[in-house]
Amino acid sequence: SQQGEEDPQALSIQEGENATMNCSYKTSINNLQWYRQNSGRGLVHLILIRSNEREKHSGRLRVTLDTSKKSSSLLITASRAADTASYFCAAQGGSEKLVFGKGTKLTVNP
Amino acid sequence: GAVVSQHPSRVICKSGTSVKIECRSLDFQATTMFWYRQFPKQSLMLMATSNEGSKATYEQGVEKDKFLINHASLTLSTLTVTSAHPEDSSFYICSVTSSYNSPLHFGNGTRLTVT
Repeated sequence: SQQGEEDPQALSIQEGENATMNCSYKTSINNLQWYRQNSGRGLVHLILIRSNEREKHSGRLRVTLDTSKKSSSLLITASRAADTASYFCAAQGGSEKLVFGKGTKLTVNP
Repeated sequence: GAVVSQHPSRVICKSGTSVKIECRSLDFQATTMFWYRQFPKQSLMLMATSNEGSKATYEQGVEKDKFLINHASLTLSTLTVTSAHPEDSSFYICSVTSSYNSPLHFGNGTRLTVT
């Protein structure tokens, strides 16, 4: 299974702090993707990092990928209350389908 | 703007009835769409891959006769929950992708409650 597993399961921080979420997966991948989900809504794509990339940035988001350790991390810098959501990683292997991990529930306190 | 439109957003039905959920790709033609199910505070579970013009591919443990998928056009896939039971109550989400190695675009989901 390509399933990603995130940790921690829940993270509570203060506004302005950085939030780091980790993801591990089991087999070889073509890319790893991070998504965000607000409560009761669909998922929103954040970043896709390919297997030959090691780091990628998008605004306040930074994603790293270590294929030797089969792990990835998502860093949100200078967090805001609006960043409160669940974050999921998903690994994509040899087909189009994505299998999602259990997610990290991030709470940013004002 | 939205890439995927999913309707209805909420539906309440009685046990034994059937419910149809629609997923429309607004920005591009989608030969493949995915249907997920999510229980409260849990991850998304892939139910099936919907292929335009052919039969859907169901994940292990998902009853194809209970969850009927029709992908009749390049912009529309439907999921019908047949003879619904309270245990079918869940959050159903569809997604589309323009190509392999590209992100998924998700609908806003359908909250199904079976009474």
